[in-house]
Amino acid sequence: GAVVSQHPSWVICKSGTSVKIECRSLDFQATTMFWYRQFPKQSLMLMATSNEGSKATYEQGVEKDKFLINHASLTLSTLTVTSAHPEDSSFYICSARQAYNEQFFGPGTRLTVL
Amino acid sequence: SQQGEEDPQALSIQEGENATMNCSYKTSINNLQWYRQNSGRGLVHLILIRSNEREKHSGRLRVTLDTSKKSSSLLITASRAADTASYFCATDAWKNTDKLIFGTGTRLQVFP
Repeated sequence: GAVVSQHPSWVICKSGTSVKIECRSLDFQATTMFWYRQFPKQSLMLMATSNEGSKATYEQGVEKDKFLINHASLTLSTLTVTSAHPEDSSFYICSARQAYNEQFFGPGTRLTVL
Repeated sequence: SQQGEEDPQALSIQEGENATMNCSYKTSINNLQWYRQNSGRGLVHLILIRSNEREKHSGRLRVTLDTSKKSSSLLITASRAADTASYFCATDAWKNTDKLIFGTGTRLQVFP
């Protein structure tokens, strides 16, 4: 149980395009989902917290117009990187949590912007 | 930054040896967790220790927590090549249990 999936697992796009990453909780309802960013050989940095049906809360320094987060259902959150640039290339990981239980992490999405 | 520090940053050992990783954090916590990440993959939850616990075991893993020093250690006994991965500690904040704050991580290499 407690499986979180991400799609796609990797994506390559041209500079200026937008990319959508999906995060799904497969066998539980996630009241809260989190999006993290991880640069090579570095730790995870929380980007934003999203609660189902409400606006995401972004961490300081994260541009909300650049990283659009939608949490329309209890099993799906999406992160859209708008007008992507090479510096947005990173590993994006989501996690999902039911109520105040443990966070379960997705396998990550590697974004490469050319 | 509230990010925790882990040391060592990298650790190389032979199979069968024990590996010890340390984590220090900055704020009061409710829980501290340890995660494992294989290269380019997601995180796997290893163990959670609560602020009122001092030691916890799970298989070959032993975690200690010293809240007075704001530090924790993860010991992997009798390491295996398959233990090669990055290990991260993560803490929640005392009054904001929503967020996990990750440490900088230790990259463990176990040679067969």
